[in-house]
Amino acid sequence: GAVVSQHPSRVICKSGTSVKIECRSLDFQATTMFWYRQFPKQSLMLMATSNEGSKATYEQGVEKDKFLINHASLTLSTLTVTSAHPEDSSFYICSARDRDPGETQYFGPGTRLLVL
Amino acid sequence: SQKIEQNSEALNIQEGKTATLTCNYTNYSPAYLQWYRQDPGRGPVFLLLIRENEKEKRKERLKVTFDTTLKQSLFHITASQPADSATYLCALEPGGSYIPTFGRGTSLIVHP
Repeated sequence: GAVVSQHPSRVICKSGTSVKIECRSLDFQATTMFWYRQFPKQSLMLMATSNEGSKATYEQGVEKDKFLINHASLTLSTLTVTSAHPEDSSFYICSARDRDPGETQYFGPGTRLLVL
Repeated sequence: SQKIEQNSEALNIQEGKTATLTCNYTNYSPAYLQWYRQDPGRGPVFLLLIRENEKEKRKERLKVTFDTTLKQSLFHITASQPADSATYLCALEPGGSYIPTFGRGTSLIVHP
């Protein structure tokens, strides 16, 4: 099956720094990528949807200036958490889909972010 | 408001039995419903997709049903094994939308 990778898998940073998370589709072209955040024992919360070459669409309540998303190619999307604070500590997961609604989403392994 | 409900209590069953997990929804008209498995500290893994015009889908020991009248999907694992222990998420996707919404998931624990 299709593979999506995320890097890094775990990051610890100081408050006020920025952190970049990469999401790559390894063997297919992802026209759409999704970024989710998941708190312990909670559901995946969609943060934003990005299509290659266009601006990301952010969900209500997600600050686009804080969570910068770039989908520069059909195989790479990045999420940058700017000026991170302890409340941004969470599990960030990306997913990718290569075609239409209803097609399978392939998820990355997730990135655990801890902001001290 | 739209809601997806999965039992928040863990389901404990004995190895070899059939596990049945439930996903109920309100104020949705999903064109697609998907089930995923998630292990602790990992991303979800796709298991099965069922369309609104399908009643049932099977894959090996897995079976999913979709009742749009009851607004419910059931997910069955037959001959369960301890390795099936995980959290199972359902996700709904309206027709024409690229955006699925996930339930909170139900934890399944299969005891040897």
